[in-house]
Amino acid sequence: ETGVTQTPRHLVMGMTNKKSLKCEQHLGHNAMYWYKQSAKKPLELMFVYSLEERVENNSVPSRFSPECPNSSHLFLHLHTLQPEDSALYLCASSPRDRATGELFFGEGSRLTVL
Amino acid sequence: GQNIDQPTEMTATEGAIVQINCTYQTSGFNGLFWYQQHAGEAPTFLSYNVLDGLEEKGRFSSFLSRSKGYSYLLLKELQMKDSASYLCAVRDANTGNQFYFGTGTSLTVIP
Repeated sequence: ETGVTQTPRHLVMGMTNKKSLKCEQHLGHNAMYWYKQSAKKPLELMFVYSLEERVENNSVPSRFSPECPNSSHLFLHLHTLQPEDSALYLCASSPRDRATGELFFGEGSRLTVL
Repeated sequence: GQNIDQPTEMTATEGAIVQINCTYQTSGFNGLFWYQQHAGEAPTFLSYNVLDGLEEKGRFSSFLSRSKGYSYLLLKELQMKDSASYLCAVRDANTGNQFYFGTGTSLTVIP
């Protein structure tokens, strides 16, 4: 139990569907992240929110749309995805004002796009 | 850019010692992190180095040489439950303290 909860844990969707991934943290952290984890590849940072403002968008396709309504919740809205988007999507949080500032990860949402 | 390199796979025997190496290149080094990830689970934080030297935490130790861009994670008295993927990550102050990860080292502990 890392204090970061992701739902759903598994999601199968067609290319024309619209779905959302949810992340919730109860650690009092002020930064939240979405990462993509594909087999044999490094974790890829997708989005960063600090104090509920987006501070990074690493050239992620517009079919991925993040939302951070407050410092405890983060969403990733998915629309017209491609099969190559199938991966494990990890949410993380961190206390950006602390020297160590390590990331605390959720267990991920395994996405399969048919 | 950042280049984080670590071996893809390693195998070691229960009770033995294993060293997982990580090399990196970054312009704004602000800490090196090791994470453990069991299959189907969240990566969990193991260790943090920002100054040169060895940090010890029970059976796990992590070493850093900033001049060489090199770190290793040392696991002693290996147990079967240590079979997992070990991720090396570097934080870069020049990119807003963004974390850059290696591909991970899949460690298999055999009896």
